[in-house]
Amino acid sequence: QVQLQQSGPGLVKPSQTLSLTCAISGDSVSSNSVAWIWIRQSPSRGLEWLGRTYYRSKWYSDYAVSVKSRITINPDTSKNQFSLQLNSVTPEDTAVYYCAREMGAFDYWGQGTLVTVSS
Amino acid sequence: DIVMTQSPDSLAVSLGERATINCKSSQSVLYNSNNKNYLTWYQQKPGQPPKVLIYWASTRASGVPDRFSGSGSGTDFTLTISSLQAEDVAVYYCQQYYNIPRTFGQGTKVEIK
Repeated sequence: QVQLQQSGPGLVKPSQTLSLTCAISGDSVSSNSVAWIWIRQSPSRGLEWLGRTYYRSKWYSDYAVSVKSRITINPDTSKNQFSLQLNSVTPEDTAVYYCAREMGAFDYWGQGTLVTVSS
Repeated sequence: DIVMTQSPDSLAVSLGERATINCKSSQSVLYNSNNKNYLTWYQQKPGQPPKVLIYWASTRASGVPDRFSGSGSGTDFTLTISSLQAEDVAVYYCQQYYNIPRTFGQGTKVEIK
């Protein structure tokens, strides 16, 4: 049974960096048949795919154009987890952030983290 | 980007009655080489992440009741709940995984009439 456990702060100041981690159990971040995803959800933007990292003999990542200049998704093989960093945040980045596994569909999700950008 | 548009935005259905949700993609999500539609349906209840109901447009996920069914191909898809139960009150989303970026519909809220 795959489980994803999110961690990270729920409050970030404007212009600072949002950092979240997703710990994986029951699967490997280095699996060559899945991708590891970050998604956010807000009333104004709905469900928004932010990006992914995946391993196919080497590591790849893809990002949404809307955040491409500010986002990094990194795997951590030593801890079997992956992370999200979103730089220069503004109140528009306030949302519930989810990590998920993509195997076709997004079949396993983290519990969600409400991140509020406010001073 | 592929734009996913759902209709209606909300609907109220009596217990035991049929609920139908439509999803239209701005371009085809049918991959000709394997004849599969790269379309998923999710159910989301308050305070929870979305849960997969249907993938490949019409394949029910494990443990999903058979009152949920998906149909359609190309650009037009439908999620049907054949006999609405109280526990089906939720928001339903379609999502394409044909290309990057993955995109979702805006959601359809299902309530009891």
